[in-house]
Amino acid sequence: GNSVTQMEGPVTLSEEAFLTINCTYTATGYPSLFWYVQYPGEGLQLLLKATKADDKGSNKGFEATYRKETTSFHLEKGSVQVSDSAVYFCALSSSEGGNKLVFGAGTILRVKS
Amino acid sequence: KAGVTQTPRYLIKTRGQQVTLSCSPISGHRSVSWYQQTPGQGLQFLFEYFSETQRNKGNFPGRFSGRQFSNSRSEMNVSTLELGDSALYLCASSLGQGIFTGELFFGEGSRLTVL
Repeated sequence: GNSVTQMEGPVTLSEEAFLTINCTYTATGYPSLFWYVQYPGEGLQLLLKATKADDKGSNKGFEATYRKETTSFHLEKGSVQVSDSAVYFCALSSSEGGNKLVFGAGTILRVKS
Repeated sequence: KAGVTQTPRYLIKTRGQQVTLSCSPISGHRSVSWYQQTPGQGLQFLFEYFSETQRNKGNFPGRFSGRQFSNSRSEMNVSTLELGDSALYLCASSLGQGIFTGELFFGEGSRLTVL
């Protein structure tokens, strides 16, 4: 079945540090891959996505590249800010059809000033 | 454009009771999905409704049920509550038609505590 594995958190960084959050997946077919972010007290929102192998999704300084050979979609940012503190979820579109996403467990990011 | 609205935001129940949660999707969105979020299990898919029909269902017991109305609003019900049902229940809406782009619009959730 489809599944997503994320690195465990919390990840604590100082402002302007480089961020990597690892994500690997198992899926049948060719899923699309996503990163969602949940800020404190808010619902999840789409951060970026990639729909096919070698695609790079980017938004707000965050990037992730769809790597089919390593079944990975790692999230990176060159210089984090305190405002990036949130929970980050990696997800893939289910092969079952409909509008269903399979999410990883989430990684808490804390950025200190 | 109003976002996804979930009510109630917080509620406390005791074991054995039942609960109904409500979700109003973004105007024009016909698909509504429900997810359970817990610290240990992360986000688990409950079900998805499109045009009043259940289109997908997750691996939850029959105590968890849902429905969707003609105006796309959705409710989910949990009967015979157990302590382990304590969680944040998230509703998400999307257009529902055509190819799924992967973008779900989430509400802020209903936090259920079972005592």
